[in-house]
Amino acid sequence: QKEVEQDPGPLSVPEGAIVSLNCTYSNSAFQYFMWYRQYSRKGPELLMYTYSSGNKEDGRFTAQVDKSSKYISLFIRDSQPSDSATYLCAIFSSNTGKLIFGQGTTLQVKP
Amino acid sequence: DGGITQSPKYLFRKEGQNVTLSCEQNLNHDAMYWYRQDPGQGLRLIYYSQIVNDFQKGDIAEGYSVSREKKESFPLTVTSAQKNPTAFYLCASSIPGAAGANVLTFGAGSRLTVL
Repeated sequence: QKEVEQDPGPLSVPEGAIVSLNCTYSNSAFQYFMWYRQYSRKGPELLMYTYSSGNKEDGRFTAQVDKSSKYISLFIRDSQPSDSATYLCAIFSSNTGKLIFGQGTTLQVKP
Repeated sequence: DGGITQSPKYLFRKEGQNVTLSCEQNLNHDAMYWYRQDPGQGLRLIYYSQIVNDFQKGDIAEGYSVSREKKESFPLTVTSAQKNPTAFYLCASSIPGAAGANVLTFGAGSRLTVL
Protein backbone atom coordinates (compact mmCIF):
# COMPACT_ATOMS: atom_id res chain seq x y z
CA GLN A 1 0.00 0.00 0.00
CA LYS A 2 1.34 3.41 -0.94
CA GLU A 3 1.74 5.87 1.90
CA VAL A 4 -0.21 8.49 -0.02
CA GLU A 5 -2.91 7.68 -2.56
CA GLN A 6 -4.29 10.16 -5.06
CA ASP A 7 -6.61 9.46 -7.98
CA PRO A 8 -4.68 10.50 -11.12
CA GLY A 9 -7.85 11.38 -13.06
CA PRO A 10 -8.04 12.99 -15.51
CA LEU A 11 -10.87 15.10 -14.17
CA SER A 12 -12.79 17.28 -16.61
CA VAL A 13 -15.32 19.89 -15.44
CA PRO A 14 -17.14 22.85 -16.99
CA GLU A 15 -16.09 26.38 -16.12
CA GLY A 16 -17.71 27.56 -12.89
CA ALA A 17 -17.96 24.08 -11.33
CA ILE A 18 -16.82 23.22 -7.83
CA VAL A 19 -13.89 20.83 -7.97
CA SER A 20 -12.97 18.36 -5.24
CA LEU A 21 -9.49 16.80 -5.24
CA ASN A 22 -8.61 14.20 -2.63
CA CYS A 23 -5.79 12.22 -1.09
CA THR A 24 -5.70 9.51 1.53
CA TYR A 25 -2.70 8.56 3.62
CA SER A 26 -1.84 5.59 5.77
CA ASN A 27 0.52 6.86 8.49
CA SER A 28 -0.95 8.89 11.33
CA ALA A 29 2.55 10.34 12.02
CA PHE A 30 2.10 12.72 9.10
CA GLN A 31 1.52 16.18 10.46
CA TYR A 32 1.72 18.73 7.65
CA PHE A 33 -0.32 18.80 4.49
CA MET A 34 0.36 20.68 1.30
CA TRP A 35 -1.18 21.10 -2.13
CA TYR A 36 0.97 21.97 -5.12
CA ARG A 37 -0.24 23.02 -8.58
CA GLN A 38 1.79 22.07 -11.62
CA TYR A 39 1.15 23.47 -15.07
CA SER A 40 2.23 21.43 -18.07
CA ARG A 41 6.02 21.31 -18.51
CA LYS A 42 6.57 23.48 -15.41
CA GLY A 43 7.67 22.88 -11.85
CA PRO A 44 5.09 22.55 -9.04
CA GLU A 45 4.18 25.65 -7.04
CA LEU A 46 2.80 25.66 -3.51
CA LEU A 47 -0.93 26.44 -3.29
CA MET A 48 -1.91 25.63 0.26
CA TYR A 49 -0.18 24.49 3.45
CA THR A 50 -1.95 23.39 6.60
CA TYR A 51 -1.19 21.65 9.85
CA SER A 52 -4.36 21.01 11.78
CA SER A 53 -7.61 19.27 11.04
CA GLY A 54 -10.30 21.51 9.62
CA ASN A 55 -10.54 23.97 6.77
CA LYS A 56 -8.21 26.63 5.45
CA GLU A 57 -9.38 29.10 2.82
CA ASP A 58 -7.42 31.16 0.33
CA GLY A 59 -9.59 32.89 -2.24
CA ARG A 60 -11.33 30.26 -4.35
CA PHE A 61 -9.31 27.45 -2.77
CA THR A 62 -10.13 25.56 0.43
CA ALA A 63 -7.90 22.88 1.92
CA GLN A 64 -9.58 20.41 4.26
CA VAL A 65 -7.85 17.94 6.56
CA ASP A 66 -9.52 15.09 8.45
CA LYS A 67 -6.80 13.45 10.52
CA SER A 68 -9.17 10.90 12.03
CA SER A 69 -9.94 9.55 8.57
CA LYS A 70 -6.46 10.28 7.16
CA TYR A 71 -8.11 12.17 4.32
CA ILE A 72 -7.27 15.53 2.79
CA SER A 73 -9.12 17.52 0.17
CA LEU A 74 -8.68 20.59 -1.99
CA PHE A 75 -11.83 22.38 -3.14
CA ILE A 76 -11.80 24.88 -5.97
CA ARG A 77 -14.84 27.14 -6.25
CA ASP A 78 -15.91 28.84 -9.49
CA SER A 79 -13.29 26.90 -11.42
CA GLN A 80 -11.61 28.68 -14.34
CA PRO A 81 -9.82 27.37 -17.45
CA SER A 82 -6.62 28.76 -15.89
CA ASP A 83 -7.05 26.20 -13.09
CA SER A 84 -6.33 23.42 -15.62
CA ALA A 85 -3.21 21.76 -14.21
CA THR A 86 -2.02 18.78 -12.23
CA TYR A 87 -2.61 19.04 -8.49
CA LEU A 88 -0.26 17.20 -6.17
CA CYS A 89 -0.88 16.57 -2.51
CA ALA A 90 2.20 16.33 -0.29
CA ILE A 91 2.37 15.12 3.28
CA PHE A 92 5.22 15.60 5.76
CA SER A 93 6.25 14.09 9.07
CA SER A 94 8.71 16.10 11.17
CA ASN A 95 9.39 12.94 13.20
CA THR A 96 10.83 11.09 10.22
CA GLY A 97 11.65 14.03 7.97
CA LYS A 98 9.77 12.31 5.18
CA LEU A 99 7.89 14.29 2.55
CA ILE A 100 5.67 12.09 0.40
CA PHE A 101 3.90 13.22 -2.76
CA GLY A 102 0.71 11.83 -4.20
CA GLN A 103 0.65 10.80 -7.85
CA GLY A 104 -1.11 14.01 -8.86
CA THR A 105 -4.60 14.59 -10.31
CA THR A 106 -4.86 16.15 -13.75
CA LEU A 107 -7.70 18.68 -13.94
CA GLN A 108 -9.15 20.22 -17.08
CA VAL A 109 -11.66 23.07 -16.81
CA LYS A 110 -13.52 23.54 -20.06
CA PRO A 111 -14.79 27.02 -21.06
CA ASP B 1 13.68 37.82 -8.64
CA GLY B 2 14.62 34.98 -6.32
CA GLY B 3 14.16 31.48 -7.60
CA ILE B 4 15.60 28.26 -8.89
CA THR B 5 17.11 27.97 -12.36
CA GLN B 6 17.40 24.59 -14.01
CA SER B 7 19.24 23.98 -17.25
CA PRO B 8 18.97 22.73 -19.85
CA LYS B 9 15.20 22.64 -20.20
CA TYR B 10 15.38 19.80 -22.73
CA LEU B 11 18.22 17.35 -23.14
CA PHE B 12 18.71 14.37 -25.42
CA ARG B 13 21.23 11.68 -24.61
CA LYS B 14 22.48 8.61 -26.33
CA GLU B 15 22.61 5.39 -24.36
CA GLY B 16 25.86 5.02 -22.45
CA GLN B 17 26.46 8.74 -22.00
CA ASN B 18 26.58 10.60 -18.71
CA VAL B 19 24.75 13.92 -18.56
CA THR B 20 24.71 16.64 -15.92
CA LEU B 21 21.67 18.73 -15.06
CA SER B 22 22.32 22.13 -13.54
CA CYS B 23 20.40 23.61 -10.60
CA GLU B 24 21.15 27.07 -9.20
CA GLN B 25 19.18 28.94 -6.51
CA ASN B 26 19.42 32.49 -5.19
CA LEU B 27 16.93 32.04 -2.36
CA ASN B 28 19.65 31.49 0.25
CA HIS B 29 18.02 28.15 1.11
CA ASP B 30 20.12 25.61 2.94
CA ALA B 31 18.44 22.45 1.67
CA MET B 32 18.27 21.32 -1.94
CA TYR B 33 16.63 18.32 -3.57
CA TRP B 34 16.39 16.41 -6.82
CA TYR B 35 13.17 14.66 -7.78
CA ARG B 36 12.24 12.53 -10.72
CA GLN B 37 8.72 12.71 -12.13
CA ASP B 38 7.22 9.98 -14.31
CA PRO B 39 3.62 9.80 -15.53
CA GLY B 40 1.33 8.30 -12.90
CA GLN B 41 4.07 8.01 -10.25
CA GLY B 42 4.25 11.42 -8.67
CA LEU B 43 7.58 12.79 -7.48
CA ARG B 44 10.31 10.45 -6.28
CA LEU B 45 13.31 11.72 -4.33
CA ILE B 46 16.72 11.04 -5.88
CA TYR B 47 19.15 12.94 -3.63
CA TYR B 48 19.01 15.74 -1.11
CA SER B 49 21.49 18.02 0.62
CA GLN B 50 20.90 19.97 3.81
CA ILE B 51 24.25 21.75 3.93
CA VAL B 52 27.26 22.38 1.71
CA ASN B 53 29.56 19.40 1.17
CA ASP B 54 26.97 16.96 2.48
CA PHE B 55 24.23 15.00 0.71
CA GLN B 56 22.13 11.90 1.23
CA LYS B 57 20.54 9.33 -1.04
CA GLY B 58 16.82 9.46 -1.54
CA ASP B 59 14.52 6.64 -2.56
CA ILE B 60 15.89 6.11 -6.09
CA ALA B 61 19.56 7.16 -6.02
CA GLU B 62 20.95 4.28 -8.08
CA GLY B 63 22.49 5.51 -11.32
CA TYR B 64 22.68 9.13 -10.18
CA SER B 65 25.34 11.28 -8.50
CA VAL B 66 25.37 14.80 -7.05
CA SER B 67 27.73 17.35 -5.54
CA ARG B 68 27.17 20.33 -3.25
CA GLU B 69 30.30 22.46 -3.36
CA LYS B 70 28.40 25.74 -3.08
CA LYS B 71 25.21 26.66 -1.26
CA GLU B 72 23.67 27.95 -4.48
CA SER B 73 24.40 24.95 -6.68
CA PHE B 74 23.34 21.29 -6.67
CA PRO B 75 24.08 19.59 -10.01
CA LEU B 76 22.76 16.12 -10.80
CA THR B 77 24.64 13.67 -13.01
CA VAL B 78 22.63 10.94 -14.69
CA THR B 79 25.11 8.17 -15.33
CA SER B 80 25.05 5.35 -17.85
CA ALA B 81 24.21 3.05 -14.95
CA GLN B 82 20.69 4.51 -14.76
CA LYS B 83 18.65 1.98 -16.73
CA ASN B 84 15.63 4.11 -17.50
CA PRO B 85 16.71 7.77 -17.40
CA THR B 86 14.04 9.27 -19.64
CA ALA B 87 12.00 11.46 -17.25
CA PHE B 88 11.24 14.97 -16.04
CA TYR B 89 13.75 16.07 -13.39
CA LEU B 90 12.87 18.67 -10.80
CA CYS B 91 15.22 20.54 -8.49
CA ALA B 92 13.86 22.10 -5.31
CA SER B 93 15.07 24.00 -2.28
CA SER B 94 13.68 24.74 1.15
CA ILE B 95 13.99 26.25 4.57
CA PRO B 96 11.97 24.86 7.44
CA GLY B 97 8.48 26.33 7.60
CA ALA B 98 6.89 27.99 10.58
CA ALA B 99 6.06 24.62 12.08
CA GLY B 100 9.05 22.72 10.72
CA ALA B 101 7.47 21.46 7.54
CA ASN B 102 9.59 21.28 4.43
CA VAL B 103 7.88 23.71 2.08
CA LEU B 104 9.61 23.28 -1.25
CA THR B 105 10.27 25.80 -4.01
CA PHE B 106 10.74 24.09 -7.36
CA GLY B 107 12.57 24.93 -10.52
CA ALA B 108 10.93 24.67 -13.95
CA GLY B 109 12.38 21.22 -14.57
CA SER B 110 14.61 19.51 -17.12
CA ARG B 111 13.24 16.92 -19.49
CA LEU B 112 15.78 14.23 -20.36
CA THR B 113 15.17 11.89 -23.26
CA VAL B 114 17.41 8.96 -24.05
CA LEU B 115 17.57 8.12 -27.73
